[in-house]
Amino acid sequence: EADIYQTPRYLVIGTGKKITLECSQTMGHDKMYWYQQDPGMELHLIHYSYGVNSTEKGDLSSESTVSRIRTEHFPLTLESARPSHTSQYLCASIAGERTDTQYFGPGTRLTVL
Amino acid sequence: AQSVAQPEDQVNVAEGNPLTVKCTYSVSGNPYLFWYVQYPNRGLQFLLKYITGDNLVKGSYGFEAEFNKSQTSFHLKKPSALVSDSALYFCAVRDAGGYNKLIFGAGTRLAVHP
Repeated sequence: EADIYQTPRYLVIGTGKKITLECSQTMGHDKMYWYQQDPGMELHLIHYSYGVNSTEKGDLSSESTVSRIRTEHFPLTLESARPSHTSQYLCASIAGERTDTQYFGPGTRLTVL
Repeated sequence: AQSVAQPEDQVNVAEGNPLTVKCTYSVSGNPYLFWYVQYPNRGLQFLLKYITGDNLVKGSYGFEAEFNKSQTSFHLKKPSALVSDSALYFCAVRDAGGYNKLIFGAGTRLAVHP
């Protein structure tokens, strides 16, 4: 299994604050993904990257932004958090085109008050 | 458009009994199908996948899934359920649009009772 790390695991923050959710993987995977998941609900892809300096928006519109400056690092940023951003955010990665399995990090549960 | 359907929000089964979690799919071309499990406050764990080959796929923790092309189904099964199998299960299909994106079903909560 891939080693994918997400920090923080839990975050409670006030409205209007800027936050960055960290995701890193140690396997040199090219493709990385961010999903948003309301508790016990389905996952929605909000961002993905297929390599350094490449990022794309996913199927669900999100006010967050991402960057991919290094292969192992794929942070997600909210410039001004709102209660509607309260959710779980899951990061995943995959080795390459010939490898089909996405491996997930433990997630960050974000609560915006 | 590609999609995955999990028709049951929740499945209840007694410990020791066989379990089935249903999944149907709609894709253009050959499907790449996956099952993931999510325990409370955790990320998703990969269970198994079907790419090609045998219709019966064996995965982690004693789970298996049967690919049925004519019924466009990929049901998850286990011969004897454990209480520790209680979790949220997601079926997914790879998006034909590339970049190995996955399209997830809505999830099925499995409750195994002692």
